[in-house]
Amino acid sequence: AQSVAQPEDQVNVAEGNPLTVKCTYSVSGNPYLFWYVQYPNRGLQFLLKYITGDNLVKGSYGFEAEFNKSQTSFHLKKPSALVSDSALYFCAVRVPGDYKLSFGAGTTVTVRA
Amino acid sequence: NAGVTQTPKFQVLKTGQSMTLQCAQDMNHNSMYWYRQDPGMGLRLIYYSASEGTTDKGEVPNGYNVSRLNKREFSLRLESAAPSQTSVYFCASSEAGLFGAPTDTQYFGPGTRLTVL
Repeated sequence: AQSVAQPEDQVNVAEGNPLTVKCTYSVSGNPYLFWYVQYPNRGLQFLLKYITGDNLVKGSYGFEAEFNKSQTSFHLKKPSALVSDSALYFCAVRVPGDYKLSFGAGTTVTVRA
Repeated sequence: NAGVTQTPKFQVLKTGQSMTLQCAQDMNHNSMYWYRQDPGMGLRLIYYSASEGTTDKGEVPNGYNVSRLNKREFSLRLESAAPSQTSVYFCASSEAGLFGAPTDTQYFGPGTRLTVL
């Protein structure tokens, strides 16, 4: 069975500071990992994904994520947060041969001006 | 391209009533999905369709039925709504079909907020 954990319900940062949203996963086999963002009253938007290769993945809006196999983590990062980054962030995992995309519970990010 | 569209945006039902949530995509994607989103639980897969003419159960299929009407449209039906089905429902689509790579990205619609009284 595959699962994803987002250990923090909420993350609060000041604008201009680094932003990190944590994600750990549990799968049998090689994982495919995704980050999505949800703005209020909107659907989920794809940010980035890790399939294979370089452990550092760059995505939309200046976000990046680092895959760490030994720690089974895929943390989302942004060097300098903006107020407009305030949203709900979801980590998700999928394994080969399975159509199911398993989502974490989500982390609410608030960036204060 | 409109991407993934869903109707209605909001709906209030009484217990026992039925309704159909509509979803359409214009990206020529093969796979389509229905999820529900509940606070603190992330998104859970209700049903999916890997190609036109096929549907399969996800994590939480009880109380729901689906129809893949054609390649563009995938509807979700609640035959007898219950308060436990109060949720936000998202439709998604992805390019890969039955034998496609699981690495493909899913694209989501704006959601339907359903309240069952």
